[in-house]
This record gives sequence, structure tokens and C-alpha cells, in this order.
Amino acid sequence: EPEVTQTPSHQVTQMGQEVILRCVPISNHLYFYWYRQILGQKVEFLVSFYNNEISEKSEIFDDQFSVERPDGSNFTLKIRSTKLEDSAMYFCASRRDTQYFGPGTRLTVL
Amino acid sequence: RKEVEQDPGPFNVPEGATVAFNCTYSNSASQSFFWYRQDCRKEPKLLMSVYSSGNEDGRFTAQLNRASQYISLLIRDSKLSDSATYLCVVSYGGSQGNLIFGKGTKLSVKP
Repeated sequence: EPEVTQTPSHQVTQMGQEVILRCVPISNHLYFYWYRQILGQKVEFLVSFYNNEISEKSEIFDDQFSVERPDGSNFTLKIRSTKLEDSAMYFCASRRDTQYFGPGTRLTVL
Repeated sequence: RKEVEQDPGPFNVPEGATVAFNCTYSNSASQSFFWYRQDCRKEPKLLMSVYSSGNEDGRFTAQLNRASQYISLLIRDSKLSDSATYLCVVSYGGSQGNLIFGKGTKLSVKP
């Protein structure tokens, strides 16, 4: 069964550093998403991406965040200057009809 | 304003018990409804979509009441493997299909 993959599984970084989280969506899916989940809290929508552009973003997704689909398979989330409060689990998802989630990247900002 | 509200639990039940989870949503424009399951430190996984007529999948039954903006999930004959957090999820529809999650209800099934 095809699945969404994410790398790395855990990323530790210093405050102020840039991080790039990587995702490989399911190959015939058309819509791509990033969500985050701070420990003990609910899953929150960050951004959706379709046809090589952002289709919607939440208020969390400020100028420090960007997304890119640099080739036909990868979908990346970049955080330019990480803050302590960016520490969370970041989930990538893709869908044709139903959204399927990747296993997540745990980001720890020190 | 909480968009999707759930009782956080935990619900501690013995094996074989029937357990029901409830959820309310605030935005009447919500068009699609789901129950996801999340194991500790794992990704959400779709358990079932919820339709207006109600739907059943084995031991799981989901109901939707659009007038009351209320969604339920019933688990019959609960198994140890049902222990997880159950997430009520809505979508406003449209082409984007962004999901709005509740905080989840934790279920612990004991032998």
C-alpha cells in the first residue's frame, strides 16, 4: 500500500536556525498539506498546496514558513528562523480523495 | 471559539465494553466529517468518514446530526487494540479540503 514518507523522523536545531522538513507524498495525489501538533495539543492545519502553489494557509503559517515542491516527488516545509515555540510534530499529508498522513517529523528547537 | 470540541477523557473501559464518543462543531459550513485514530506519538489515521445517514464499519458506527452540529462514534465489543486517541475531524469542503481537528478523546481498553 502506498504511503506518505517524511524525513528526518527527528530534527534538533538551535533557535534562529533554518530547518527544512521533507515529505514524499503518494505518487498520484494532487493535494498536499502540512499540519503540526504541539505536544499534548490538537493537530493544526498550516498550509495546503495544489497545482504548484499555496491554495490556503492558516494564521500560523507566517513569513517564517515556506513550502516548495522542487521536483515531481518531494514536498518541503522550510522554517527560516526557528523559535522555541516551533517545537512540535510536523505531519505532511496528501490526498486524491482521502487525506493520508505521513509518520511525522519531531522538531525540537533548543 | 473552539471549532471542534470533544470530551478529552480518558475513557477507561474493560474489554468487550461498548463506548461512545461525542463531538460538536461550531461552523455550520462544515461539509465533510471524519473520525481519525491516533496512537501515541504517531500520525492520525482515518478510521471512517461520517455520512448524514449514519454508517457502520464492523464494530464501529458513526452518526452525524447536522441540525445539532453533532457527531458520534460508537465502538462495540472493544478490544485492547482499540486503545488510542480518537480525533473528530471536519472539513469545510471545497477543493482544498483542509482538516480541522478536535483535541481528541483518549480511550484505554483494559483486560
